[in-house]
Amino acid sequence: SQQGEEDPQALSIQEGENATMNCSYKTSINNLQWYRQNSGRGLVHLILIRSNEREKHSGRLRVTLDTSKKSSSLLITASRAADTASYFCATGPIQGAQKLVFGQGTRLTINP
Amino acid sequence: DTAVSQTPKYLVTQMGNDKSIKCEQNLGHDTMYWYKQDSKKFLKIMFSYNNKELIINETVPNRFSPKSPDKAHLNLHINSLELGDSAVYFCASSQGGRAYEQYFGPGTRLTVT
Repeated sequence: SQQGEEDPQALSIQEGENATMNCSYKTSINNLQWYRQNSGRGLVHLILIRSNEREKHSGRLRVTLDTSKKSSSLLITASRAADTASYFCATGPIQGAQKLVFGQGTRLTINP
Repeated sequence: DTAVSQTPKYLVTQMGNDKSIKCEQNLGHDTMYWYKQDSKKFLKIMFSYNNKELIINETVPNRFSPKSPDKAHLNLHINSLELGDSAVYFCASSQGGRAYEQYFGPGTRLTVT
């Protein structure tokens, strides 16, 4: 099975609310990354957190990483309609091939 | 000044045909990738090149052949197209491998009829 799995698969909230998405993975990692994909577009890198980091912020984004639980969360605060997109986590394993492994994504809908 | 570009954006073709998708990056990156995204949005790596050398070749039918004429270009040629090849194909690049962020192209939506 794939490395990263996002939860929930779909999330619908009102504009202004906070959105939290979770990602679980199986093997030891070098880093974990979050990407956004707007409908019909390519993925856009949001944030990268390394295995020795526990929390990282970028604007309205907050990412946490718990390597003991092999999980990460992405929090988007004060959501906007423009945040409507699919969000993917991707993990870079410590060992093995030089590649990122993507989860299936969370579809986030922000209702005005 | 697009960072990662792909052509064409849409490709509609019949079963059995051969087609190519081109990718170019102007970021000076040394690593390029091809991904396939299926209808369920699952993104799976197909190939990766580092400095024109193939470093990742996932379980992909040998009808798919990547070619990297230089560090800035990575093309994907597909022979004898099948219905199951219908998907969105993304090119991406990064400086280095798994430890670094990747920059994605806009995608090529391939429809095989």
